[in-house]
Amino acid sequence: AQKVTQAQTEISVVEKEDVTLDCVYETRDTTYYLFWYKQPPSGELVFLIRRNSFDEQNEISGRYSWNFQKSTSSFNFTITASQVVDSAVYFCALCDRTDSWGKLQFGAGTQVVVTP
Amino acid sequence: DTAVSQTPKYLVTQMGNDKSIKCEQNLGHDTMYWYKQDSKKFLKIMFSYNNKELIINETVPNRFSPKSPDKAHLNLHINSLELGDSAVYFCASSQDTVGYRGYTFGSGTRLTVV
Repeated sequence: AQKVTQAQTEISVVEKEDVTLDCVYETRDTTYYLFWYKQPPSGELVFLIRRNSFDEQNEISGRYSWNFQKSTSSFNFTITASQVVDSAVYFCALCDRTDSWGKLQFGAGTQVVVTP
Repeated sequence: DTAVSQTPKYLVTQMGNDKSIKCEQNLGHDTMYWYKQDSKKFLKIMFSYNNKELIINETVPNRFSPKSPDKAHLNLHINSLELGDSAVYFCASSQDTVGYRGYTFGSGTRLTVV
């Protein structure tokens, strides 16, 4: 069973619009870590954020913000005032103890297309 | 200085050949990984090594054999390549086996089997 669900396959926005990427995860562990990665067209995987299960504070970093809600098992990501450079595939990932530590389990990714 | 470097970046080879992908990290991390990204962009772990010891070995054909000569290097050797092996292979490292300080990925090796 997929442990990380990114239901949005592709989102297209016009520059300066806000875009929210959904991530729903599944785990029985009380201790786990959640991540977001960006994969631009050049192909590398760029780390954006890591959050542990005991820290539900929302986080803002420039135009990026994250909303972690344990009650709904969600870790959503918002890009405010999107720019063309935000065009990429964004992956949400989970690391828990169920199978073994160290195994990042990725969602299927959401392609974000920002047009001028 | 690149933190996690993979070579080659691109690899085109014929079915049946044997090939290797090399990975080196200069972060002093204890744990290294291989992930495979298929044509639909889905990322899945293949192997993990901690201080040269295999700790994660997913359901991967035994044509794939990782080798870790030291904790800074994790190579991936593939025997008898098949068309279905075409993918992007990412090496990654983390400071510990938990990865709670995050994972650093290499830039990927695009393998095309023809």
